[in-house]
Amino acid sequence: SAVISQKPSRDICQRGTSLTIQCQVDSQVTMMFWYRQQPGQSLTLIATANQGSEATYESGFVIDKFPISRPNLTFSTLTVSNMSPEDSSIYLCSVVVAGGISYNEQFFGPGTRLTVL
Amino acid sequence: AQSVTQPDIHITVSEGASLELRCNYSYGATPYLFWYVQSPGQGLQLLLKYFSGDTLVQGIKGFEAEFKRSQSSFNLRKPSVHWSDAAEYFCAVGRGPTGGFKTIFGAGTRLFVKA
Repeated sequence: SAVISQKPSRDICQRGTSLTIQCQVDSQVTMMFWYRQQPGQSLTLIATANQGSEATYESGFVIDKFPISRPNLTFSTLTVSNMSPEDSSIYLCSVVVAGGISYNEQFFGPGTRLTVL
Repeated sequence: AQSVTQPDIHITVSEGASLELRCNYSYGATPYLFWYVQSPGQGLQLLLKYFSGDTLVQGIKGFEAEFKRSQSSFNLRKPSVHWSDAAEYFCAVGRGPTGGFKTIFGAGTRLFVKA
């Protein structure tokens, strides 16, 4: 299993500013992801955080808006840049604990609730 | 393209009544299927998962789900609903190692429980 912590748990920010969200896992994991959950909506994958290299972004998400770092196997950050009210969402870090070619389980962090004024 | 459909945006059931939440998926390969629950202001909790084997899987909190390949469905059931089950339920499909372990979520079904 994996226990995930995120900081901050919530924040209220002014438009035009940036916020960096941290994700820490208690064990080394193969895959780390960042998801967004807009108010009343389902989860949408933003990107896969790759260790030591650039993240892989899903359609509709770009690095300039959502820069991601993953310096090691247990830590990642997501920055929401130049924020607007439309960025108000819950941002969730997720990891997959995979053994060999099998797909074990996906774990989610508690989320960071962001409100942009 | 892969997709997950939860046709019911919200469902209301009486406490003690049975529950079935529908989920249909579209995926070319062997699906890895999940049901998650999200209570208001809370994180996601895994209820159950299906990777292979017995098509009827048991989960936590008395939930079960049945995988039906012919119908591309993975419906969630509970024989007797408790008021604490009121929450948002998400069906999800995992792409596995060939799909970068990404997960696609349905739109969710909000469950209301009336006394």
